[in-house]
Amino acid sequence: DTGVSQDPRHKITKRGQNVTFRCDPISEHNRLYWYRQTLGQGPEFLTYFQNEAQLEKSRLLSDRFSAERPKGSFSTLEIQRTEQGDSAMYLCASSFAGGDEQYFGPGTRLTVT
Amino acid sequence: AQSVAQPEDQVNVAEGNPLTVKCTYSVSGNPYLFWYVQYPNRGLQFLLKYITGDNLVKGSYGFEAEFNKSQTSFHLKKPSALVSDSALYFCAVRGYNTDKLIFGTGTRLQVFP
Repeated sequence: DTGVSQDPRHKITKRGQNVTFRCDPISEHNRLYWYRQTLGQGPEFLTYFQNEAQLEKSRLLSDRFSAERPKGSFSTLEIQRTEQGDSAMYLCASSFAGGDEQYFGPGTRLTVT
Repeated sequence: AQSVAQPEDQVNVAEGNPLTVKCTYSVSGNPYLFWYVQYPNRGLQFLLKYITGDNLVKGSYGFEAEFNKSQTSFHLKKPSALVSDSALYFCAVRGYNTDKLIFGTGTRLQVFP
């Protein structure tokens, strides 16, 4: 399967703990995006990269969230000191630079108890 | 600011009947519009896009969408619905001077046998 993959698929954590998610994009794609989706809502943009460079970060994203793409391939999204409001599905997508459609992974469902 | 609206939370249609899922948009500049479908516990799948050209866009699984500039709409259509089309459908627009997608709140399509 050459699609976007995400790990883990599910994560349950206690409030205050740190969590890290990984995304592996489609290998030919140089752009990588993170979105968050809560129940009953459409995905909400968090940040995106072109190769290693983080091009944009949502103003809604608190300082507890950080994302990296150190070698321009896979990316990690870390949430520090998790809160119950962080419970959501975290989606990763990739595309060609200048391309139009984004291809999404299956998501990581985070539950903060 | 770029935005899309999906006025219907749910659309019900009988199998074999035509279906329409509505989307209206508000953009600065030329609209880049997309439809995605989401099945339970899965990521989003790209269906089709409008960038420029013909107002009727054909996509995956027999879906098509009609771009109407005067009505600022981009409705998703299918001539004959299948039970397997039952899913959550999202309309999206590309942000202005950015590649991030801005999603609507989604419309749940229920196709009855």
